[in-house]
Amino acid sequence: ETGVTQTPRHLVMGMTNKKSLKCEQHLGHNAMYWYKQSAKKPLELMFVYNFKEQTENNSVPSRFSPECPNSSHLFLHLHTLQPEDSALYLCASTRTEDTYNEQFFGPGTRLTVL
Amino acid sequence: SQQGEEDPQALSIQEGENATMNCSYKTSINNLQWYRQNSGRGLVHLILIRSNEREKHSGRLRVTLDTSKKSSSLLITASRAADTASYFCATVNQGGKLIFGQGTELSVKP
Repeated sequence: ETGVTQTPRHLVMGMTNKKSLKCEQHLGHNAMYWYKQSAKKPLELMFVYNFKEQTENNSVPSRFSPECPNSSHLFLHLHTLQPEDSALYLCASTRTEDTYNEQFFGPGTRLTVL
Repeated sequence: SQQGEEDPQALSIQEGENATMNCSYKTSINNLQWYRQNSGRGLVHLILIRSNEREKHSGRLRVTLDTSKKSSSLLITASRAADTASYFCATVNQGGKLIFGQGTELSVKP
């Protein structure tokens, strides 16, 4: 247990569905991240939030919409996804005052888009 | 561009043997971290080495860092079947940004 939880753990959705992924941490961290992990590819950083403000958007398509209502919760809203969006979506958090920036990861949501 | 690149991409060994994984990077770093990922799950932080350190130990893990060669290695001694996982290096630049490599898939056969 890393202290970061993600729900759901598995999600199957059609291309016209709308769904949301949730991430929660109670580690007192101020920064939260969404990563996408596809087979045989490095982790791709999608979004970064620092003190609830989005500080990075790595050219992510608008069909992925993040929301960070507070420093402990992070959502990823999904709509009209494509089959190539099927992947493991990982959430992570860290305390940016800590220079060394060790990240704590959730278990991930395995997303399949039909 | 990708910062950390691991070598080999896959490694298969027998239980009890040592496993060595290498990571190379391109630009200056603040620190380098190694993570482990069991199949289909999140990453777990293993060890961090700062740019002014050359070697670090944690249990059966030994990490080295050579900043002149821009490379790091992770050694797992006396491997166990439970060590089977993917291992990723991640570099942290001076701005605090973490960039992951593609990973090494380690298989330890009992």
